[in-house]
Amino acid sequence: GNSVTQMEGPVTLSEEAFLTINCTYTATGYPSLFWYVQYPGEGLQLLLKATKADDKGSNKGFEATYRKETTSFHLEKGSVQVSDSAVYFCALMVYGQNFVFGPGTRLSVLP
Amino acid sequence: SAVISQKPSRDICQRGTSLTIQCQVDSQVTMMFWYRQQPGQSLTLIATANQGSEATYESGFVIDKFPISRPNLTFSTLTVSNMSPEDSSIYLCSAEPPSYNEQFFGPGTRLTVL
Repeated sequence: GNSVTQMEGPVTLSEEAFLTINCTYTATGYPSLFWYVQYPGEGLQLLLKATKADDKGSNKGFEATYRKETTSFHLEKGSVQVSDSAVYFCALMVYGQNFVFGPGTRLSVLP
Repeated sequence: SAVISQKPSRDICQRGTSLTIQCQVDSQVTMMFWYRQQPGQSLTLIATANQGSEATYESGFVIDKFPISRPNLTFSTLTVSNMSPEDSSIYLCSAEPPSYNEQFFGPGTRLTVL
């Protein structure tokens, strides 16, 4: 079956630090890959996505590249802000099948 | 895209009662989904609610406990029946609009069962 693995949190960084949250997946077929973010007390928002190998998704300074050879979709940001504190979920979807979410990684950014 | 609203945003309920959560989408969508997010956990799909057909439940979820309605292309409800403290979770509705290869989520309903 399809699955998503994320690095365990919580991740605590100082403001302006570099962020990497690892995500790897297994899937039958050709998945689309997503990063969703959940700010405290809110629902999920799509942060970025990539639909095929070597695509790079980017939004709000965050980036992730779809690496088929390593089945990875790591999330990166060059300089985090306090406002980036949230839970980040990596997810995949194969056409015609359900979304599969990773366990989530909680990020805390300290001023 | 799709904008999704949910009501109520939160509720505190007594054991043994039932709560119906409403989900409204600002556009017509075929596929809607209900998820549960237990404290500190990821999302677990409860069921897929497609208009014009019975909801499809995932393993571990049954219609008697989580009845779902899907009366039209913009609206769905999820009822949490005969609640127990173990049902305390965030319940999220999502929709996948036509031609969109992604899901849009509502803000969630935070349920606490005493």
